[in-house]
Amino acid sequence: TQLLEQSPQFLSIQEGENLTVYCNSSSVFSSLQWYRQEPGEGPVLLVTVVTGGEVKKLKRLTFQFGDARKDSSLHITAAQPGDTGLYLCAGAEARDTDKLIFGTGTRLQVFP
Amino acid sequence: NAGVTQTPKFRVLKTGQSMTLLCAQDMNHEYMYWYRQDPGMGLRLIHYSVGEGTTAKGEVPDGYNVSRLKKQNFLLGLESAAPSQTSVYFCASSFRGLAATQYFGPGTRLTVL
Repeated sequence: TQLLEQSPQFLSIQEGENLTVYCNSSSVFSSLQWYRQEPGEGPVLLVTVVTGGEVKKLKRLTFQFGDARKDSSLHITAAQPGDTGLYLCAGAEARDTDKLIFGTGTRLQVFP
Repeated sequence: NAGVTQTPKFRVLKTGQSMTLLCAQDMNHEYMYWYRQDPGMGLRLIHYSVGEGTTAKGEVPDGYNVSRLKKQNFLLGLESAAPSQTSVYFCASSFRGLAATQYFGPGTRLTVL
């Protein structure tokens, strides 16, 4: 059973546009992470959020953890071709923090 | 530091053959993980280990076995490969603790004919 659903699954946009990726679950997470994966490589951590309602900014990327710690969003402002990749959210359930549950992924393509 | 390395990078097996994937990390991490990645499925946890000599089942453990005889190595075995095990396999490691970053290897692309 997939506990973390991401939307949209695919996103193709022009350089300079804004976009938001959503990560939703019915479970409560003690922490949530966002990873980016490029073709032929393993995922690389972008950010970790641990407090309900928390907002973190990483240059043009803004990450938010829902108040109830069941959902998260990633907003990219003025997307660039270098943002192209697979974005994965991953949560550590409150009842079992030894492992992460990964989302289904959002594949982003930014065209020049 | 090499980080997390995986061998081999590519492998083609026939149905019923066996093989072992090797993961090695040089960061002295306690935790290690094996995932498989299939289109539209994200990453699914196969097995994991919270320390040397320990292993535990993840979300999709059937058809796989693991061993963690040394802290730096985590082996994933397929005893009798099936076409459904065609996938990209990733190993990861992390320090102990909540919200710890997982560091991933470059992956192994396995095809079972």
